[in-house]
Amino acid sequence: DTGVSQNPRHKITKRGQNVTFRCDPISEHNRLYWYRQTLGQGPEFLTYFQNEAQLEKSRLLSDRFSAERPKGSFSTLEIQRTEQGDSAMYLCASSLGVLRTDTQYFGPGTRLTVL
Amino acid sequence: GENVEQHPSTLSVQEGDSAVIKCTYSDSASNYFPWYKQELGKRPQLIIDIRSNVGEKKDQRIAVTLNKTAKHFSLHITETQPEDSAVYFCAASSNTGTASKLTFGTGTRLQVTL
Repeated sequence: DTGVSQNPRHKITKRGQNVTFRCDPISEHNRLYWYRQTLGQGPEFLTYFQNEAQLEKSRLLSDRFSAERPKGSFSTLEIQRTEQGDSAMYLCASSLGVLRTDTQYFGPGTRLTVL
Repeated sequence: GENVEQHPSTLSVQEGDSAVIKCTYSDSASNYFPWYKQELGKRPQLIIDIRSNVGEKKDQRIAVTLNKTAKHFSLHITETQPEDSAVYFCAASSNTGTASKLTFGTGTRLQVTL
């Protein structure tokens, strides 16, 4: 499968713990995006990278959230001191990066449950 | 920022009938409008998209129309089949500045009955 991959697929944690998710984009894709999706809602934009540079962050991304994309390949999203409100599906997407609005391909997501 | 509204939230049609889902957006700078299909527990998958330089695009049983003046776009599925049952999301994106984010609607759950 040469699509976007995410690990882990599921994560259950206790409130206050830190969690880290990984996203591997489609090879040769320069842009990588993180979205959050709660039940019954569409994905909400969190942040995106052009190669290794983080170019935009949503106001949804509180200080407890940090994302990195070292070397412009895979990306990690870390949530510190998790809260029950962080429970959601975290989706990663990637795109070629040729056009500003090129097609975004999504990964299967990481479902986070905070107890 | 951009705001996308989507209607209806649920839609039930009989196999073979047509289904229409409508979205409106607020940012006149938006110029790219993709539609994603998401089956239960699966990733969103792009089914069709349209850019603001065209008014309609068709791919087999699926078509999308765009009215930039009214700021709305619609998804049309003809000859629906049971495998079309899923949640459909519309989205809008602008190429202003460095922003390349998609703003999604709240989704339409389509149920195709036999």
